[in-house]
Amino acid sequence: QSALTQPASVTGSPGQSITISCTGTSSDVGTYNYVSWYQQYPGKAPKLMIYDVSNRPSGVSNRFSGSKSGNTASLNISGLRAEDEADYYCSSYRSSSTLVFGGGTKLTVL
Amino acid sequence: QLLLQESGPGLVRPSETLSLTCTVSGDSITSDTYYWGWIRQPPGRGLEWIGNFYYSGSTYYNPSLKSRVTISVDTSKNQFSLKLSFVTASDTAVYYCVRHLSRKRGSDYWGQGTLVTVSS
Repeated sequence: QSALTQPASVTGSPGQSITISCTGTSSDVGTYNYVSWYQQYPGKAPKLMIYDVSNRPSGVSNRFSGSKSGNTASLNISGLRAEDEADYYCSSYRSSSTLVFGGGTKLTVL
Repeated sequence: QLLLQESGPGLVRPSETLSLTCTVSGDSITSDTYYWGWIRQPPGRGLEWIGNFYYSGSTYYNPSLKSRVTISVDTSKNQFSLKLSFVTASDTAVYYCVRHLSRKRGSDYWGQGTLVTVSS
């Protein structure tokens, strides 16, 4: 069982917007603004899409955005495209100097 | 461009020690701010943080692995290593070496990953 809770799957249509949630506790997501989101294609290494809750690394599309409310962080993808179909993982810093991950969400673009 | 490359045996026997090395090119592991570390992913499953370090000596481990893990650094070779002792089949995974933005933050660069299978 993963430390952070994500939905196993999310489905959207091209052009739509979707949101993936990531629920933690007051020991991680709720206290620290160190939530990151990763995109992973099959057989490939994950790619950092969002860091520090809502910051995008250089080169990441502005269709990707992040936010947080209480113990839950969210990744929003607008204007869905076929190439967005991938697995998405959230992670957070947790007190006692550890990093924890969510179980991952499979995004399907129909 | 920063590149990270994992190397090491792809097969390890149960109860033995898994040893991997990450070679970094395009940046120095003694750069200010950045931490370096290891993350693994069992086949078909999610990501698990193993540990990270700052070149000057601070090292942090996943509490669930702490008793079996050692991360060390060789600044002269711009490499760092992972040792995981007393492995079992549950340690079978793709192991990634990564650069962290800082001790508490996400990983902006990842190696391609290397599959290590624990089997007799």
